[in-house]
Amino acid sequence: EIVMTQSPATLSVSPGERATLSCRASQSVSSTLAWYQQKPGQAPRFLIYGASTRATGIPARFSGSGSGTEFTLTISSLQSEDFAVYYCQQYNNWPYTFGQGTKLEIK
Amino acid sequence: EVQLVESGGGLVQPGGSLRLSCAASGFTFTSYWMHWVRQAPGKGLVWVSRINGDGSSTSYADSVKGRFTISRDNAKNTLYLQMNSLRAEDTAVYYCIRDSYEGFDYWGQGTLVTVSS
Repeated sequence: EIVMTQSPATLSVSPGERATLSCRASQSVSSTLAWYQQKPGQAPRFLIYGASTRATGIPARFSGSGSGTEFTLTISSLQSEDFAVYYCQQYNNWPYTFGQGTKLEIK
Repeated sequence: EVQLVESGGGLVQPGGSLRLSCAASGFTFTSYWMHWVRQAPGKGLVWVSRINGDGSSTSYADSVKGRFTISRDNAKNTLYLQMNSLRAEDTAVYYCIRDSYEGFDYWGQGTLVTVSS
């Protein structure tokens, strides 16, 4: 089973600033990586697939990069609605596995 | 508009059973693998089970294998999760999910299962 490790566990950033979240896979997953956003009391929301392609309706301030074992989610200018927990997931090898999440909080 | 609506959650005693349902609409249900993912209170996302479009192929996490059964009724556009021999550690919100083949693109709102005496 591929282990996904996200860092940091918590990231404190001010509104308007840039946030960079990391995700590492225990073995190569090529570009088969997705990112999700989850707000309290809500289901996760699909953000990014193929490591860098935004899902339908996702604002351009969200961008993903990386391949192999190292991936990054960048939010270019944080809005109030972006403070949430973010999960990465690999879908290259079965079973698909999630990272433990990064909580993005207001500084 | 794609919609996934779960139901069937609730409070059950250890060793008990529960069946979750997920009503799907807004897409061709038979064209997609479907999954159940759960989230224990305050914890992360954990994949539970999956089923292919015609119901002929299923997979389970080791933690639920032999206790949970996933199925689907394509005539009713409904996904199910039969949960038997429930344990306290099965307490979680259970999400029904559509597999886009490039990630999990649509999630239901979730249904809470609480296993407690």
